[in-house]
Amino acid sequence: EAQVTQNPRYLITVTGKKLTVTCSQNMNHEYMSWYRQDPGLGLRQIYYSMNVEVTDKGDVPEGYKVSRKEKRNFPLILESPSPNQTSLYFCASSLKGASTDTQYFGPGTRLTVL
Amino acid sequence: AQSVTQLDSQVPVFEEAPVELRCNYSSSVSVYLFWYVQYPNQGLQLLLKYLSGSTLVKGINGFEAEFNKSQTSFHLRKPSVHISDTAEYFCAVRSGGYQKVTFGIGTKLQVIP
Repeated sequence: EAQVTQNPRYLITVTGKKLTVTCSQNMNHEYMSWYRQDPGLGLRQIYYSMNVEVTDKGDVPEGYKVSRKEKRNFPLILESPSPNQTSLYFCASSLKGASTDTQYFGPGTRLTVL
Repeated sequence: AQSVTQLDSQVPVFEEAPVELRCNYSSSVSVYLFWYVQYPNQGLQLLLKYLSGSTLVKGINGFEAEFNKSQTSFHLRKPSVHISDTAEYFCAVRSGGYQKVTFGIGTKLQVIP
């Protein structure tokens, strides 16, 4: 089944403790992206990747890192999480980075930073 | 730069009534417009998209949207809603040659029995 998977689905952590949220897709997509969803703000793009070893900042990259060493994986790294990073995070992928492409979303990761 | 405005944060509607969810966009270049739906505790899935051609776009679950370039709008409509349509709906824009995707803040559709 074609899908985007994220792990973990739920995470509670404390300020300053490094964490990684994994994202994997099995559709051989080139484009992958991370979003955070907050009430009243909708989805905001954190980082995106056009292909392996090609990443770029979205609208809210501060406090986050990403890497794209393999085509299928696009982990999101929070080196020193803070409470304002408490949010619902979605990973998405599309065939290429074309503006016309449909994005396929993962199920989401709910992160709470205490 | 590109932006999306969803004018209504919540829309309550009775079952079998029609509904329109409004979306306006701003971009200085050609645009591609999308509507996504998010059911409770799930990720987003595509409802429909406008790329080019006919301004009336039909999507899944009986939804349709009309692209209006002069009014920079892409409103979503359904002639008769069902309880199962209760969800949050997001309008999104991607500009030609621009890799970022911009989403609206979402509209929660609540279908009342």
